[in-house]
Amino acid sequence: QVQLQESGPGLVKPSQTLSLTCTVSGGSISSGNYYWSWIRQPAGEGLEWIGHIYTSGSPNYNPSLKSRVTILIDTSKNQFSLKLSSVTAADTAVYYCARRLYGSGNFDYWGQGTLVTVSS
Amino acid sequence: QSALTQPASVSGSPGQSITISCTGTSSDVGSYNYVSWYRQHPGKAPKVMIYDVSNRPSGVSNRFSGSKSGNTASLTISGLQAEDEADYYCTSYTTSGTWVFGGGTKLTVL
Repeated sequence: QVQLQESGPGLVKPSQTLSLTCTVSGGSISSGNYYWSWIRQPAGEGLEWIGHIYTSGSPNYNPSLKSRVTILIDTSKNQFSLKLSSVTAADTAVYYCARRLYGSGNFDYWGQGTLVTVSS
Repeated sequence: QSALTQPASVSGSPGQSITISCTGTSSDVGSYNYVSWYRQHPGKAPKVMIYDVSNRPSGVSNRFSGSKSGNTASLTISGLQAEDEADYYCTSYTTSGTWVFGGGTKLTVL
């Protein structure tokens, strides 16, 4: 059974960089045709796709966040990561990592989510 | 990219059927059959209920069905049950190679 788990600081100061890691267990991050995604949800609001990375390809980002986002994959650790720079209070949200099958719109496995608060 | 449009809320009585719409544009819903639907209970991660317009993952009740016409996709839940009360989100692939979500619909089972 594949499991995803987000980890990282729960509190980030304004203007700093938010850094999160998603650890994949129960399967290799580099096996199969999957996109590894980050999605966030501000309190009481809807879901927002941040971006994704494919094992052997370039990442793709939400145009509204593209200038501040970096998603990387570390196959040796079975992890992928998110960095969001120059954060403001508007970036306060629950951040989810998720897996999507290549050639499908099925985000089939999600992490439990981690709350990141941007505050001084 | 603009969020897909969903009704803010829908409601129904146990045993009834409801339909949630998800309206996009020719740059997303209208261009691909990569529309999926997610159910989210409070404090929980979303769970896929329908993917690629009308496919149901293993383990999801056949009370859930999906369809699409033009730029609008729909999720239908038949035989409403108390456990169906949740927020529902649609998402679609876009011509930019990105994904866009709907604003979410709160389903209340009366």
